[in-house]
Amino acid sequence: GAVVSQHPSRVICKSGTSVKIECRSLDFQATTMFWYRQFPKQSLMLMATSNEGSKATYEQGVEKDKFLINHASLTLSTLTVTSAHPEDSSFYICSARDRSGEVSPLHFGNGTRLTVT
Amino acid sequence: GDSVTQMEGPVTLSEEACLTINCTYTATGYPSLFWYVQYPGEGLQLLLKATKADDKGSNKGFEATYRKETTSFHLEKGSVQVSDSAVYFCALQSGGSYIPTFGRGTSLIVHP
Repeated sequence: GAVVSQHPSRVICKSGTSVKIECRSLDFQATTMFWYRQFPKQSLMLMATSNEGSKATYEQGVEKDKFLINHASLTLSTLTVTSAHPEDSSFYICSARDRSGEVSPLHFGNGTRLTVT
Repeated sequence: GDSVTQMEGPVTLSEEACLTINCTYTATGYPSLFWYVQYPGEGLQLLLKATKADDKGSNKGFEATYRKETTSFHLEKGSVQVSDSAVYFCALQSGGSYIPTFGRGTSLIVHP
């Protein structure tokens, strides 16, 4: 089945540094990928929709200059947390759909636990 | 807009007990409905889905029936195992949108 690979699984960084998270679709092409942030008590927040070859669409309240998204190819999207602060510590999850234009389920990466010290 | 409401957890059960996690939704049109499961420290995985009214999705002993008249998609399992301990998310996707709507998730804890 369709597999989405997300790296790294865990990262610890210092305040003020930037962190890049990669999301790859391993056996399918994904024109659209989604980035979520998961808060304590498990609720998922959609941060942005990443579109191959164009700018990402950010949800209301998400700073696009803080959370840079690049979808350079049909199999790779990256999320860069710039000038990270402790409040950015969270679990970030990417997902992709393996068939565009259809109502099909999402395939999720295993998430990245970011800790900013 | 679309929304999904799940029962709050955690749901705590003993092994072999029956499970029901309630999920109701509001949506325009006729959405597809999904249950995803998230095991500790991992991302979400599709558990089952249903794309039209009265469809029953099933997988790994879990079932859910698309009830249009009650706008519900309750998740059920007759006999839970410790390995079923996870967070379960109900989700919908309307035909006109490629962005799914998720519920807040329900944590299930199964004790031996």
